Amino acid sequence: DTEVTQTPKHLVMGMTNKKSLKCEQHMGHRAMYWYKQKAKKPPELMFVYSYEKLSINESVPSRFSPECPNSSLLNLHLHALQPEDSALYLCASSQERTSGGAKAKNIQYFGAGTRLSVL
Amino acid sequence: AQKVTQAQTEISVVEKEDVTLDCVYETRDTTYYLFWYKQPPSGELVFLIRRNSFDEQNEISGRYSWNFQKSTSSFNFTITASQVVDSAVYFCALTGSGNTGKLIFGQGTTLQVKP
Repeated sequence: DTEVTQTPKHLVMGMTNKKSLKCEQHMGHRAMYWYKQKAKKPPELMFVYSYEKLSINESVPSRFSPECPNSSLLNLHLHALQPEDSALYLCASSQERTSGGAKAKNIQYFGAGTRLSVL
Repeated sequence: AQKVTQAQTEISVVEKEDVTLDCVYETRDTTYYLFWYKQPPSGELVFLIRRNSFDEQNEISGRYSWNFQKSTSSFNFTITASQVVDSAVYFCALTGSGNTGKLIFGQGTTLQVKP
C-alpha cells in the first residue's frame, strides 16, 4: 500500500484565518515532505522532516508552520496567508536512508493534495 | 547545478498512437537517480519509475517504456498505443547532489489523448 492521505481536499480561507493541512501515511516511512504547486508548474519543495525532525526549510515564509507530531503525521499550519499563496499543497513520504548519498535513491510517494484558495 | 528540461510543453495525440515524452538532464554527480511521475487531473503525483545512473538498461512495463542514454543525458518515456486514461501531466525528476533527496523537477509535459 503506497497511500498518503491528505485532508482537506479543498480549503478556502481569508487572509486573517488560521487553518491547518493534514497528511498521514502508514507505510513506515520516516521522511515526510511538503510541496507547493502553482498551476502549470512543477511542485516546489517547502519542508522536509526526517525522523520527526525538520531537516530542510526552503526559505519558506513564517506564515507557513510545519509540524510532525509523530512518524505517521505531518501538519502544515497556515496563518495570515496572502492571495498568492493559493496553490495545490502536496505531501509526500519516503523511506529514509541516510548513509552515503542514499537519500537520493528514495522514492517519494505523494498524496492527492489540498487545493487552497486564499481570499 | 542540476537541471531537468522537458522541452515539450503540450502534446496531443489520438488514441492508439504511440507518443514519446522527452527528458534531458544536467548534473555533475556520478551517482544520481532519475524519476518519472504522472499527475492526472485529480492532483496526485503517481510514481512511475526510478532509474539509477549506473543502469542504462531500458525498461518496459506494459505499454510504458523508458530509454535512458547517459551519452546524451536523456531519459525519455514512450507510451505505446495511448489511451484516454493516459491524459495527464508527466514530470521527469532528478536527485543526486548533496544527499538531501531533493527532487529537481522538469517543467512537465501535458499529454492529451483524444478518443
